[in-house]
Amino acid sequence: DAGITQSPRHKVTETGTPVTLRCHQTENHRYMYWYRQDPGHGLRLIHYSYGVKDTDKGEVSDGYSVSRSKTEDFLLTLESATSSQTSVYFCAISNNYEQYFGPGTRLTVT
Amino acid sequence: GQQLNQSPQSMFIQEGEDVSMNCTSSSIFNTWLWYKQDPGEGPVLLIALYKAGELTSNGRLTAQFGITRKDSFLNISASIPSDVGIYFCAGSNNAGNMLTFGGGTRLMVKP
Repeated sequence: DAGITQSPRHKVTETGTPVTLRCHQTENHRYMYWYRQDPGHGLRLIHYSYGVKDTDKGEVSDGYSVSRSKTEDFLLTLESATSSQTSVYFCAISNNYEQYFGPGTRLTVT
Repeated sequence: GQQLNQSPQSMFIQEGEDVSMNCTSSSIFNTWLWYKQDPGEGPVLLIALYKAGELTSNGRLTAQFGITRKDSFLNISASIPSDVGIYFCAGSNNAGNMLTFGGGTRLMVKP
């Protein structure tokens, strides 16, 4: 398995609070991605990074921001969490088209 | 945006049976990938296809890159209980290493 960890693995938070999810890799892959997975919607890309400090928006980026200050870490921030952001969040890494996924973070916004 | 139509959405089969699922797109893809996701875990890459017409096997799994570049197929032979999970197809058209995912096929295997 690719060396990808996500933290926390589970989080419950209240509406309006900020939340940061962390993805850490030990594979030195150039690309990193954040997806959310919801019933009926499959995997949807939130943001991605193509290098340190290089990020871009995905399909469902509203309400989310990201940062990548070093190769191994990619942070996803919800500035003010809403109930619609309750989901399972997956990080992925790649050097080409083959993406490798982390174990996921289950986020519940109450 | 691009859409991948994956079918069937779910399958309930007897152990030992063969399974087929497919993905179709209205757009051309240059790469097709197949993933499996177990409950509570992230998707795991099963097979990657890079050439139109390519047929690739991984154990009991065989996947094909459609000649039109608009579809791909995954077959599982002699299914076993641990094949249970959700199978996703994904396609890339080389745009920034992005993948478009299908909606998934939920496979259930009766022992």
